[in-house]
Amino acid sequence: EPEVTQTPSHQVTQMGQEVILRCVPISNHLYFYWYRQILGQKVEFLVSFYNNEISEKSEIFDDQFSVERPDGSNFTLKIRSTKLEDSAMYFCASSEFRGGETQYFGPGTRLLVL
Amino acid sequence: DAKTTQPTSMDCAEGRAANLPCNHSTISGNEYVYWYRQIHSQGPQYIIHGLKNNETNEMASLIITEDRKSSTLILPHATLRDTAVYYCIVRESGYSTLTFGKGTMLLVSP
Repeated sequence: EPEVTQTPSHQVTQMGQEVILRCVPISNHLYFYWYRQILGQKVEFLVSFYNNEISEKSEIFDDQFSVERPDGSNFTLKIRSTKLEDSAMYFCASSEFRGGETQYFGPGTRLLVL
Repeated sequence: DAKTTQPTSMDCAEGRAANLPCNHSTISGNEYVYWYRQIHSQGPQYIIHGLKNNETNEMASLIITEDRKSSTLILPHATLRDTAVYYCIVRESGYSTLTFGKGTMLLVSP
């Protein structure tokens, strides 16, 4: 069964450093998403992406964040200058279509900012 | 904010049916009910979704009341691996965002 994959599974970084989290969505899917979950808190939507453009973004997704689909398979989330409060699990998801279609999630990247 | 209300936690004996309720009294006509679960620290896993009719797949059944103000997710024969947080999410067709609440922590015991 096709699945969303994410790398790395864990990332430790120093405050102020840039990090790039990588995702490989399911191959025939067209819509891509990033969510995050701070330890002990809810899963929160960050951004959705379609046709090389951001479709929707939340208040969390400020200028420190960016997303890119650099090639036909990868979808990346970049945090330019990490803060302590960016420590969280980051989940990538993809769906075949928008709206009523089901989003399938990857296993996540645990980011720890020191 | 999440538009659903779920119990904080529930217990179920292994092999028995687990019935997880969800209230969504403000649901509108074009909003679907989705269920996901999250096994400890893993990515949310899609279970099932529906609009009006009851739905069944290999994982679970979804029963939606006629007025659509509440629903029940049924795991017919719960196993220890079904221990997870279960999220009931109301989502409007055409929008990307899944808004997760706190969900129900289901503990399946031997």
